Amino acid sequence: GENVEQHPSTLSVQEGDSAVIKCTYSDSASNYFPWYKQELGKRPQLIIDIRSNVGEKKDQRIAVTLNKTAKHFSLHITETQPEDSAVYFCAASTNDKIIFGKGTRLHILP
Amino acid sequence: KAGVTQTPRYLIKTRGQQVTLSCSPISGHRSVSWYQQTPGQGLQFLFEYFSETQRNKGNFPGRFSGRQFSNSRSEMNVSTLELGDSALYLCASSLWEMGGREQFFGPGTRLTVL
Repeated sequence: GENVEQHPSTLSVQEGDSAVIKCTYSDSASNYFPWYKQELGKRPQLIIDIRSNVGEKKDQRIAVTLNKTAKHFSLHITETQPEDSAVYFCAASTNDKIIFGKGTRLHILP
Repeated sequence: KAGVTQTPRYLIKTRGQQVTLSCSPISGHRSVSWYQQTPGQGLQFLFEYFSETQRNKGNFPGRFSGRQFSNSRSEMNVSTLELGDSALYLCASSLWEMGGREQFFGPGTRLTVL
């Protein structure tokens, strides 16, 4: 069946450094790629999204890139801060369904 | 605007029982989707309801069912509970069909099956 693979499952970076999380998807009908952040004990919240007709999108310290040919998209967080510590989920959505990656636990080290 | 709410927040049931979870979407939102979250499998899509109709369904057994009311509130039912059904159940709402749109998640209902 269709799936979304997300790597790494755990990532530790020094405060101030950059973090990159990568996802690949299998359904070529996917046209919307959101990223959700879930802090411990809280609900997932959308932090950035990208549509299939766009290759890159940036919002302050967060950026997402999409390579439709390779079916690959990535989340980039620059100048990481303690409040970036959370679990991040990528997802690939068609008009009818959405599949989430299994998540990346990001630790920001002081 | 009030966010998505879910009740109850915690539930403890025993194997074989059935359970009903409730989700109230953001006012004006017509789509409600349900997800199962477990440490090993992440977020898995259960189903989506839009305008009182099940629009899409994930790969879950028929023991998992749901419905949506005319005010867009949704309920999810799990019958004949199994130990493996222990999870955080999240619902999410969006203005229209969830495909290609931001979803707003509720706080979840944590179900423990003993």
